[in-house]
Amino acid sequence: DQQVKQNSPSLSVQEGRISILNCDYTNSMFDYFLWYKKYPAEGPTFLISISSIKDKNEDGRFTVFLNKSAKHLSLHIVPSQPGDSAVYFCAASASGTYKYIFGTGTRLKVLA
Amino acid sequence: EAGVVQSPRYKIIEKKQPVAFWCNPISGHNTLYWYLQNLGQGPELLIRYENEEAVDDSQLPKDRFSAERLKGVDSTLKIQPAELGDSAVYLCASSFDSGSAYNEQFFGPGTRLTVL
Repeated sequence: DQQVKQNSPSLSVQEGRISILNCDYTNSMFDYFLWYKKYPAEGPTFLISISSIKDKNEDGRFTVFLNKSAKHLSLHIVPSQPGDSAVYFCAASASGTYKYIFGTGTRLKVLA
Repeated sequence: EAGVVQSPRYKIIEKKQPVAFWCNPISGHNTLYWYLQNLGQGPELLIRYENEEAVDDSQLPKDRFSAERLKGVDSTLKIQPAELGDSAVYLCASSFDSGSAYNEQFFGPGTRLTVL
């Protein structure tokens, strides 16, 4: 049973445009959400996170939106750059479990 | 500051052979994680250590997998014997327990295992 789902395996976006990556979850106990970015042959690196007490968190070009009622979060990258081309993983955690449940990832390709 | 170090980066073995992976976490990080990442999937937790103690090994297939973190720093993950289905990337991560309910995990580059 996949508790964290990323239904789009891949996404292509033109440089300078907005990239929107989506993630859905099923476990209502999740209260902390993260996005990790992964380049080939490297481990995932932390990008941005959001607590369930917020519905938006912004860091430079990256914004994460959380819709708790829909159990949905999204990552917006504006403007997209070729260096953003990577696999993006959504992850969720429940308070005190110290366990991240990852989605299957979305491969973003930003076209120059 | 050095990141999480893993070795080897790549390993190819015949099925039924043993294999071991090594991880050196970020200095000062008391929590260490081993994850398994199959092709096209996200990382899945195998085991979590707090210092020397394995506090969550519920996802570790104990018939063939073992792990240790004897001095609360470096860790080794072993598979014996390896099966074809063990081909995957094995990721190590570490975090510092700040007392928060959420501690950022830092990942190493992983070991890509191929079992023939």
